[in-house]
Amino acid sequence: DQQVKQNSPSLSVQEGRISILNCDYTNSMFDYFLWYKKYPAEGPTFLISISSIKDKNEDGRFTVFLNKSAKHLSLHIVPSQPGDSAVYFCAASGANFGNEKLTFGTGTRLTIIP
Amino acid sequence: EADIYQTPRYLVIGTGKKITLECSQTMGHDKMYWYQQDPGMELHLIHYSYGVNSTEKGDLSSESTVSRIRTEHFPLTLESARPSHTSQYLCASSKTAGRHSSYEQYFGPGTRLTVT
Repeated sequence: DQQVKQNSPSLSVQEGRISILNCDYTNSMFDYFLWYKKYPAEGPTFLISISSIKDKNEDGRFTVFLNKSAKHLSLHIVPSQPGDSAVYFCAASGANFGNEKLTFGTGTRLTIIP
Repeated sequence: EADIYQTPRYLVIGTGKKITLECSQTMGHDKMYWYQQDPGMELHLIHYSYGVNSTEKGDLSSESTVSRIRTEHFPLTLESARPSHTSQYLCASSKTAGRHSSYEQYFGPGTRLTVT
């Protein structure tokens, strides 16, 4: 049973437009969420995170929104750039999960079209 | 910039061979992790360690073993490789410095293992 779901395996966005990547979770005990970016043949790179006490966190072109009631979070990238083309993973954890273990989604492949 | 290294980056090996995947970090992080990932799938935690002489199995059952004799080093060993072990293996580490900082794991570049 997958507790973190990324239902869109791929997404194509025009350069300069907004990219919106979505993530849903089922376990209400998750209270911390992270986004990672992964290029081929490389390890994931931490991008941005959000605690459940917030509903928005912004870092430059990247903003993560959290809707706890809907158990949904999204990553907005604006403006999108060619270098943003990568696979994006959503991950979740929480104090009740011990050891700060992360549960990952299956990823969304983002392609930015020049 | 994370300083976590994995060797080899790519490995093709025959069935039955013993292999060790190396992982080292220079950040002094106490927690380290091994994940397995197949294309299009999520990362599955197979081993983790809180510190020296501490190792635990992860959520995904794995025939591999790990050791943590030094803080910076967390090797993974497969005693007898099989084609089902073909996958990408990712090592990560995190620090213990405040509640939320601990969740941010830094990953190495991964080892792509192919067992023929």
